[in-house]
Amino acid sequence: SYELTQPPSVSVSPGQTARITCSGDALPKHYAYWYQQKPAQAPVLVIYKDTERPSGIPNRLSGSSSGTTITLTISGAQAEDEADYYCQSVDSSGAWVFGGGTKLTVL
Amino acid sequence: QVQLVQSGAEMKKPGASVKVSCKASGYSFSAYTMHWVRQAPGQRLEWMGWINPGNGNTKYSQNFHDRVTITSDTSASTAYMELSSLRSEDTAIYYCARDRHNSGEDYWGQGTLVTVSS
Repeated sequence: SYELTQPPSVSVSPGQTARITCSGDALPKHYAYWYQQKPAQAPVLVIYKDTERPSGIPNRLSGSSSGTTITLTISGAQAEDEADYYCQSVDSSGAWVFGGGTKLTVL
Repeated sequence: QVQLVQSGAEMKKPGASVKVSCKASGYSFSAYTMHWVRQAPGQRLEWMGWINPGNGNTKYSQNFHDRVTITSDTSASTAYMELSSLRSEDTAIYYCARDRHNSGEDYWGQGTLVTVSS
């Protein structure tokens, strides 16, 4: 079955830049999305269609795509950015697929 | 405004079934596919399937081996997810989520905790 691969954890100092990657063979063919999830909360969409940012999402969060890898970049990380981040895309049948999630620690 | 309100927490015994509801408001229910996603404690998000309320078409994740059934009632603007033959590994928070139609408009229910324990 199709898989999206993320690093389990990323650490960043406040004010620095964090990059979270997600790799998948079908990413060049299908849009990808990024979700932020804080403890005991539902996921929140922070990037859609690889690079677009929903309204209300700070512009320090950005998305990029290159080949089979997409990247969520958090510039000038703040304490409030500490969360789990999941990439999501679809497989060839249209089923949603999630990455394993990356825990971002801001310290 | 768009809202998805799910039914309350459930506690079930192994082997039983559970049915979770998701009542939609603030938009045309039939116009958007509804997805179901679950998250076991400390685990990743896992997609379960979707339903197109407009025509009743469904698609399910093969990971659930025919244990999941998603239905909808357009007159009540409500989608349902039923999971059968429950086991302890099915203990999770279950979410409904409206399809985004490739946009940034993303809506999720508040989640329903299902606990499976003898």
